[in-house]
Amino acid sequence: QSVLTQPPSVSGAPGQRVTISCTGSSSNIGAGYDVHWYQQLPGTAPKLLIYGNTNRPSGVPDRFSGSKSGTSASLAITGLQAEDEADYYCQSYDSSLRSVFGGGTRLTVL
Amino acid sequence: EVQLVESGGGLIQPGGSLRLSCAASGFTVSSNYMSWVRQAPGKGLEWVSVIYSGGSTYYADSVKGRFTISRDNSKNTLYLQMNSLRAEDTAVYYCASSPRSVVVVDYWGQGTLVTVSS
Repeated sequence: QSVLTQPPSVSGAPGQRVTISCTGSSSNIGAGYDVHWYQQLPGTAPKLLIYGNTNRPSGVPDRFSGSKSGTSASLAITGLQAEDEADYYCQSYDSSLRSVFGGGTRLTVL
Repeated sequence: EVQLVESGGGLIQPGGSLRLSCAASGFTVSSNYMSWVRQAPGKGLEWVSVIYSGGSTYYADSVKGRFTISRDNSKNTLYLQMNSLRAEDTAVYYCASSPRSVVVVDYWGQGTLVTVSS
């Protein structure tokens, strides 16, 4: 069981907007630690998508955005494209001095 | 260009030992937070261990006392010594580099598969 909770799957049609939630607790997200998001395409290593709750690394399209409030965070993807079909993971830090991941969310583009 | 190349994975019997290596190029391992993250077949990501630039090390409870993270600055290489391996350690092990903070992984290796089975 992962420390951070994500929905197992989400789906959307091309062009639509989808959101993926990430719920933590007072010992991680709620303690003020930043949330980061990764995209993992099938058969490849994860790729950093969002860092520090809302920041996009160079090269990541602005269709991807992140937010954080309280003990939760969200990843939003607008203008959904076929190549967005992947697994998405949230990550944060825990007061036990450990990095923690969510269980992952599989995005299906219908 | 930053590159991380893992090696050392393979099939090992329960109770056995294995050492993973991660050769880095394009940056200095001793100047970054360096981690190992694993992914069991069909499962999510699990943080395993981190070594700080100052040398401090931390481990997930699931591997504490069995795994040891280290680095060789002269070879610019990160290691993960894995002892007393269990079936549940079967996973792809990714080497990860974090120049921004101890948590955010900017660079990932391609991964090396460790299979623990008799």
